[in-house]
Amino acid sequence: DQQVKQNSPSLSVQEGRISILNCDYTNSMFDYFLWYKKYPAEGPTFLISISSIKDKNEDGRFTVFLNKSAKHLSLHIVPSQPGDSAVYFCAASVFVNSGNTPLVFGKGTRLSVIA
Amino acid sequence: GAGVSQSPRYKVAKRGQDVALRCDPISGHVSLFWYQQALGQGPEFLTYFQNEAQLDKSGLPSDRFFAERPEGSVSTLKIQRTQQEDSAVYLCASSPRQGVQPQHFGDGTRLSIL
Repeated sequence: DQQVKQNSPSLSVQEGRISILNCDYTNSMFDYFLWYKKYPAEGPTFLISISSIKDKNEDGRFTVFLNKSAKHLSLHIVPSQPGDSAVYFCAASVFVNSGNTPLVFGKGTRLSVIA
Repeated sequence: GAGVSQSPRYKVAKRGQDVALRCDPISGHVSLFWYQQALGQGPEFLTYFQNEAQLDKSGLPSDRFFAERPEGSVSTLKIQRTQQEDSAVYLCASSPRQGVQPQHFGDGTRLSIL
């Protein structure tokens, strides 16, 4: 059973418009969420994160929204640029004082930004 | 270098051979993770080190998989008697200390078992 789900395998958006990538999770213990961006033949690159004590975090063109009651988060990119074309992974983790816990990833959404 | 370095980038092996994959984490990073990414999937956790101690190996798929980090820096993931289902990209990630995110990933080793 997948604990982190990205139900849209792909998304196409025109340059300059908003891209919205969605992610759902089932484990209510998750309290920290991250988005990673991945280009072909490269490792995932950290983009933005949010703690469960917040409902929004913004960094430049990227904003992550968290709806804990719905167990849903989304990544908004505005305005979208051709260089944003990549696979985006949603990931979740549980904070423990004694150490790190592994990230649980969704399957990814491939974003294509069309010029 | 400044990032997580993995070698080799590509590895082709015949079924039944043993392979060893290397990870150089970011200097000073205490936590080190290995993930396996199959085609079309997200990365899946294999094992976690804090310094030289392997604190979690619950994701290792079988006893053919073995990881070590003897001096708390470089880590090696070894797969014995490889099988075709071991074909995947193996990603290493590190983070500065316990409880700290995000994890920083290397570019991975693409393993192909013939």
